Amino acid sequence: TQLLEQSPQFLSIQEGENLTVYCNSSSVFSSLQWYRQEPGEGPVLLVTVVTGGEVKKLKRLTFQFGDARKDSSLHITAAQPGDTGLYLCAGESQGGSEKLVFGKGTKLTVNP
Amino acid sequence: EPEVTQTPSHQVTQMGQEVILRCVPISNHLYFYWYRQILGQKVEFLVSFYNNEISEKSEIFDDQFSVERPDGSNFTLKIRSTKLEDSAMYFCATRPGDREKLFFGSGTQLSVL
Repeated sequence: TQLLEQSPQFLSIQEGENLTVYCNSSSVFSSLQWYRQEPGEGPVLLVTVVTGGEVKKLKRLTFQFGDARKDSSLHITAAQPGDTGLYLCAGESQGGSEKLVFGKGTKLTVNP
Repeated sequence: EPEVTQTPSHQVTQMGQEVILRCVPISNHLYFYWYRQILGQKVEFLVSFYNNEISEKSEIFDDQFSVERPDGSNFTLKIRSTKLEDSAMYFCATRPGDREKLFFGSGTQLSVL
């Protein structure tokens, strides 16, 4: 069974601080996706990383895929209250499976 | 941006009753999925559907569950005889092609009493 462990589970920071969220597994994934989920809504895709070592930037968000494609991180620079939300990582399995394996999520609160 | 639409947003039912959850995929999308999220737990894969048949299902998706696209538009999830542990948020997700961006609906909150 493939598992994705996210840490930390909860993070409360002040506006302007930087933060990193981690997503780790013992399994290799063909790709890893990061989603943001608001209360009462479905997850919304932020980014997909595919290649080991890949780094993608989305404004103040930086996503990295580990060289071995088993882990990923999300770094937010100068966090703003609008970044508050639940961040989920999800791995796409190798071998043709279509299912996504989700982490439990990191609940981020950015205080003004 | 186009949206995946799910109805109803909330469904309350008695244990043992049948429920049908409905999803309207984005119009040019060909791959359809159901996921569920029990309160406080991870989002879990249930089933994938392509070309009018199930392409993959999880252990959760037992004989009590079924999916279909009866009119070529709506994509439905039926739970034949609901159990208390079926209480969860059920998300429909669709995408235009294999491995392309996945779009999630807002979910149906199912409460089994």
